[in-house]
Amino acid sequence: DQQVKQNSPSLSVQEGRISILNCDYTNSMFDYFLWYKKYPAEGPTFLISISSIKDKNEDGRFTVFLNKSAKHLSLHIVPSQPGDSAVYFCAASVLGSQGNLIFGKGTKLSVKP
Amino acid sequence: DVKVTQSSRYLVKRTGEKVFLECVQDMDHENMFWYRQDPGLGLRLIYFSYDVKMKEKGDIPEGYSVSREKKERFSLILESASTNQTSMYLCATFINYGYTFGSGTRLTVV
Repeated sequence: DQQVKQNSPSLSVQEGRISILNCDYTNSMFDYFLWYKKYPAEGPTFLISISSIKDKNEDGRFTVFLNKSAKHLSLHIVPSQPGDSAVYFCAASVLGSQGNLIFGKGTKLSVKP
Repeated sequence: DVKVTQSSRYLVKRTGEKVFLECVQDMDHENMFWYRQDPGLGLRLIYFSYDVKMKEKGDIPEGYSVSREKKERFSLILESASTNQTSMYLCATFINYGYTFGSGTRLTVV
C-alpha cells in the first residue's frame, strides 16, 4: 500500500506561471518531508525539505507547504522556467528511522516557453 | 559535499550474465541504499545497508543481492540478469536527513 502518493503523473505549465506539485501521505508518523528533482539519465538531486513542526519552507523560487491535518504537502515553483522541466519526487521519513525515505511515484513537470 | 560515485553510466548485458553495479561514497557514511527507477513506478528500494557486512531487503529484493565489505562501497549484484531487470539503478547515501544520490546506471539486459 502506497504511503506516499503523487496522484498527477504529469503537469504542463507555461513559462513564468506557477507550478504546483502535490503529494499526499497516509502514515501519521512521518515527520520530515523532502522534494527531489530528477533529469533524465541523472540521479535525483535534493530540492527542498520541511519538518512537521513547520507549515512552510521557502528557498528562492521554491516553496513547500505542509498541511498535517490533511496529510498533504505541495511544492510551488514561481516563476516556472523551462529548466525546471524534470520529474519531481516527494519523499517522507520518520526522523531517527536510520534514513529510510519513502518516495512517491513522481510527477513529470513540463514548462513550455 | 558528499560524492556518491556509480562506476558505470550505461551498461548492456546479456540474459543470464552475472552483473555487478558498484557504488562508492566518500564520507564514511553508514547508511547506503540501492533503488531502481522505472517510468510510472517511481523509485523502488531493492536493498539497503546500515554498516559493513550488514544488509537488509527492501521492497523488491528478488533477483538481486548486495555486498558491503568496506564502509565506502556498496555493490548490487544481479546473479542472472533478466530482461525485466532493464532499468535505471540508483545508489544513495543518507546525510542530513536526506539522500545524496549517485548519477545512476542505465542497465539494459538483452
